[in-house]
Amino acid sequence: NAGVTQTPKFRVLKTGQSMTLLCAQDMNHEYMYWYRQDPGMGLRLIHYSVGEGTTAKGEVPDGYNVSRLKKQNFLLGLESAAPSQTSVYFCASSTHRDRGPYEQYFGPGTRLTVT
Amino acid sequence: AQKVTQAQTEISVVEKEDVTLDCVYETRDTTYYLFWYKQPPSGELVFLIRRNSFDEQNEISGRYSWNFQKSTSSFNFTITASQVVDSAVYFCALRLGYSSASKIIFGSGTRLSIRP
Repeated sequence: NAGVTQTPKFRVLKTGQSMTLLCAQDMNHEYMYWYRQDPGMGLRLIHYSVGEGTTAKGEVPDGYNVSRLKKQNFLLGLESAAPSQTSVYFCASSTHRDRGPYEQYFGPGTRLTVT
Repeated sequence: AQKVTQAQTEISVVEKEDVTLDCVYETRDTTYYLFWYKQPPSGELVFLIRRNSFDEQNEISGRYSWNFQKSTSSFNFTITASQVVDSAVYFCALRLGYSSASKIIFGSGTRLSIRP
């Protein structure tokens, strides 16, 4: 049981390049999330998904796209990277039971630098 | 508006001291959930505790304890007899409502340093 995994762990991009971050979870969770973490700002939600085939915008969605073609995978895409997207990206997943939404479990993070 | 405030940006104490991390939240919802996460220097986020708005019981887990007070909208976290391994950034978070689409709002974190 690996929990939540993210690939890659590190990446350096040049301005204008594109890339996709992959998140996978093996806990059969319904919900998945992408956050970015910047110094002094905590975590901010980029996009999230409440089920296979559905996605929604979070707090800071501009410049990112996502897809959830399979329940266990949640992809985050940067079509044209900008230096402002230099950050640490975390994926998370959670389940939902009778007593409401449960805690989120996080992946190890992806450190992205855009030069 | 919903908001989580961790006013203490950084705290530094000597090992074996007790330390309390403050968390104040704002919401008009009557149903909500509060969380604490730990982020050690290795970078991963580790879930510590979840508490829902209908359960004001305080909780103790080993050296960790949490004090939830709806009257002051606070959910404070105390580490007793701190250890160097407790050094980390700690995040308090708020999740609103019962909806499956509810999102978590994080505070900006408190960096805790335990000196030997």
